[in-house]
Order: sequence, then C-alpha cells, then structure tokens
Amino acid sequence: RKEVEQDPGPFNVPEGATVAFNCTYSNSASQSFFWYRQDCRKEPKLLMSVYSSGNEDGRFTAQLNRASQYISLLIRDSKLSDSATYLCVVNIVGGYNKLIFGAGTRLAVHP
Amino acid sequence: DGGITQSPKYLFRKEGQNVTLSCEQNLNHDAMYWYRQDPGQGLRLIYYSQIVNDFQKGDIAEGYSVSREKKESFPLTVTSAQKNPTAFYLCASSIGLAGYSTDTQYFGPGTRLTVL
Repeated sequence: RKEVEQDPGPFNVPEGATVAFNCTYSNSASQSFFWYRQDCRKEPKLLMSVYSSGNEDGRFTAQLNRASQYISLLIRDSKLSDSATYLCVVNIVGGYNKLIFGAGTRLAVHP
Repeated sequence: DGGITQSPKYLFRKEGQNVTLSCEQNLNHDAMYWYRQDPGQGLRLIYYSQIVNDFQKGDIAEGYSVSREKKESFPLTVTSAQKNPTAFYLCASSIGLAGYSTDTQYFGPGTRLTVL
C-alpha cells in the first residue's frame, strides 16, 4: 500500500465547475499536510498547507480528517489556468522533515 | 532575485558515464534535498542535507552521490551504478527547522536526465 494515495484522474471539467480531490495517507505519525501544484514538465509549487480546522484560500478549500487519515482539496469556479497535477504531500516530522508525496491527480479544465 | 536554480535543464548521458547535476540556492536555507520523479509516481527522496558538510541517504540513494561544501550548493552525481537514471531530478531547499511541521520545501525548476 502506498503511503499517500490519490486518484490519478484525469478529471475533465468545464470552466466554472467545482471539483474535489481526495487523498489518504497511511502513517499516523504524519503531522502536517500540503497540497502542491505541478504544471506539465515543471517543478511542484506549494498551493496551500492543510490545517486541522480546514482552511480556505480564495477558490481553494482544504480539509483534513485525522481520524480517517484523509485530506481533500476543493476548487470552486474552475479556471482554464487551474489545469495541472495536484500533489498531496504529508510531512512526517522527526530528525528531519520528511515529505511523502502522492503521485498526483491530474485536472484538465476545458472551455 | 531569490530562488533555487538547477542546471542544466536537459542532460543526455551515455551509459557508463557519471554526470553531475547542479543545484544552487540564495534563500539562506540550511536544508537541501534531491528528489527524482518518474511518470505516474510520487517524488522520491535521494539525499538530503540539513547543514553544511553533512548529508544523509534518502529512500533511493543507491547509484547517487552528493556533497555539501557550501551552504548555497548541493550537487548531485548520478553514477554509472545507477541502473535506471532516466528521470526528472528536482532539488529543494527549506529553512531547516528539524522537528517543526511548518518547514516548507521549495523546489528548483528541475533537470531532465536521459540516458542514451
């Protein structure tokens, strides 16, 4: 079983749609959580951190359920520019800050 | 202009050759990391360094070597012992707050290595 699992997609949605991605993690020692965005053949860039109480940044909302070891990302009013791969990332804090990456969920927003 | 730079952007290597990938950062970060990314897989950690003159193996260190002689630089050598080196290589850095969950990693633009 992978440590961080995501549906690879692709999710094909029209502009203006709302889309949700889910992610599950297996290590209960995970202490912090992130969503990164990666454009085709580019480096990952931090989209947002995920807090226990849930957090929102504009059209993006992230939720964390520690009991179920489950993270979600909701994108409202999708734009063409949202087309990318979204990586779920878990931080296991210890001697160093180890990041465990999911393989990503691909989103394609069409006109 | 602060950030992380990697060079070259594309690299072609013949089998049996060693190649070195450059990673430089001017963010004054203590920690630096090397990952590789293969299609359909998450990033996997090759090596990391929390401070100058110190580095540790990650999950897939076999066939790779690194050095950390300067805070700003963390070059990665892909040796001929690496059986399947064709991949996208990403360097990252962070402030280096070991034990703190808010230590965010920032990535360079990557080097795409192809073995011919």
